[in-house]
Amino acid sequence: GAGVSQSPSNKVTEKGKDVELRCDPISGHTALYWYRQSLGQGLEFLIYFQGNSAPDKSGLPSDRFSAERTGGSVSTLTIQRTQQEDSAVYLCASSLGTSGGVPETQYFGPGTRLLVL
Amino acid sequence: AQSVSQHNHHVILSEAASLELGCNYSYGGTVNLFWYVQYPGQHLQLLLKYFSGDPLVKGIKGFEAEFIKSKFSFNLRKPSVQWSDTAEYFCAVSTYSSASKIIFGSGTRLSIRP
Repeated sequence: GAGVSQSPSNKVTEKGKDVELRCDPISGHTALYWYRQSLGQGLEFLIYFQGNSAPDKSGLPSDRFSAERTGGSVSTLTIQRTQQEDSAVYLCASSLGTSGGVPETQYFGPGTRLLVL
Repeated sequence: AQSVSQHNHHVILSEAASLELGCNYSYGGTVNLFWYVQYPGQHLQLLLKYFSGDPLVKGIKGFEAEFIKSKFSFNLRKPSVQWSDTAEYFCAVSTYSSASKIIFGSGTRLSIRP
């Protein structure tokens, strides 16, 4: 089927506004991941979901960031009161999960490019 | 917590040259290791991965990587690069106990001169 999709592809917002980023994983993938890629930086792990649960939220940069996943499918990453340092590409990936301590291959979406003015 | 270091930020090679990109991780336990590639305008995709067994792992497009546990390294190699290998390469690691938390390095940009 189709790959991982993300929307919007680009988002420009004003400082202080809230934004919602959406990720549609590959059908049947139980694991879903969010990363942030700032200019010139690597991928920063934010959060991952196994089903609708997020076992590890330690990567979220601040309490302005939250994420949820419903129905074991679509996930939304919300950034409240955006700051200029939130400007980055937000990447989503999905996989079949893990098996015996070994993660299945992640498939990445195209990302959402967020610019906070 | 685990971390990954890629010391080469930008590598420039001519076609047919040999390639080795460095990757070191910090974690004392069992790890899963990955190399991902992002070609210009494309999504990140998996090049190869190591979980256990033979420490020399072969991936797509002629790439290979060697896990050297004593050096905490997982360097990426290719004997003869092509212009189409121009891309950004990311090393990543997860631990056995937290397999889904995959931590990426800062990436190495590879430019190949035709």
